[in-house]
Amino acid sequence: GDSVTQMEGPVTLSEEAFLTINCTYTATGYPSLFWYVQYPGEGLQLLLKATKADDKGSNKGFEATYRKETTSFHLEKGSVQVSDSAVYFCARLGRGTSYGKLTFGQGTILTVHP
Amino acid sequence: DVKVTQSSRYLVKRTGEKVFLECVQDMDHENMFWYRQDPGLGLRLIYFSYDVKMKEKGDIPEGYSVSREKKERFSLILESASTNQTSMYLCASSPRGTGPQETQYFGPGTRLLVL
Repeated sequence: GDSVTQMEGPVTLSEEAFLTINCTYTATGYPSLFWYVQYPGEGLQLLLKATKADDKGSNKGFEATYRKETTSFHLEKGSVQVSDSAVYFCARLGRGTSYGKLTFGQGTILTVHP
Repeated sequence: DVKVTQSSRYLVKRTGEKVFLECVQDMDHENMFWYRQDPGLGLRLIYFSYDVKMKEKGDIPEGYSVSREKKERFSLILESASTNQTSMYLCASSPRGTGPQETQYFGPGTRLLVL
C-alpha cells in the first residue's frame, strides 16, 4: 500500500545552518506530495506541495523537488531560524481507491538554537 | 481563510466513557477526515467522509465511529474509551477535486487523556 518514510529525528541545528529532511514514498502512480509543519501547540499547516514530477514546491525559504526517479521529496532550507523549530511531516495523496487520503511519514522534530 | 475548529483542545475522560469529538469547517468542503497523532507514528487515518451521511474506514477504525449529519460537521465517537486511545486527534477538511483543491486543512487538535 501507500507509504511515506521520513528521516528519523530529532534534528538539532544552530541558527543559519542548512537543513535537509529526507522523505521517500512508494511509487504507485504519480501522487501529489506535501510537506506539512506543526508548530508547538497547534494543528498542521501546509508548508508546500508538488503535484507532478520535477515540480518544485517552495514557501518561507523552504523548498522540495518531486523526484520521480528516486521517489523522493526532500525538504531543504538554506538558513534556518529559531522560529522554524517545529515538527515536519511529509505526506502523499492517494489516487484511485485511495482518492483524497493522505498518508503521512512519522514526522521529524526540528529544534533550532540561537 | 479556511477555518477548521474542534470542540475541545484538551479532554480528560475515564475508561468506559462514551466520548464525542466535534469538528466544524466553514468552507463548504465535501471531504472531512479524522486522524490520530502519536509520537513516532505520524498521523494515522481513522475515518473519513466524502459527503453528508457517507463514511469510510481509514487505517485504524477499530474502537471508533463517526457521524456526518451536516456537511460542515464531522463527529468522532469513542463508544467506550480505553487508555490506548489517549492521543492527539486532528480533524481535516478538503474540497473535492484535483489540483490545488487537494490540500487538506487541519484543525488545532484535541488532546485526549483516558484514565
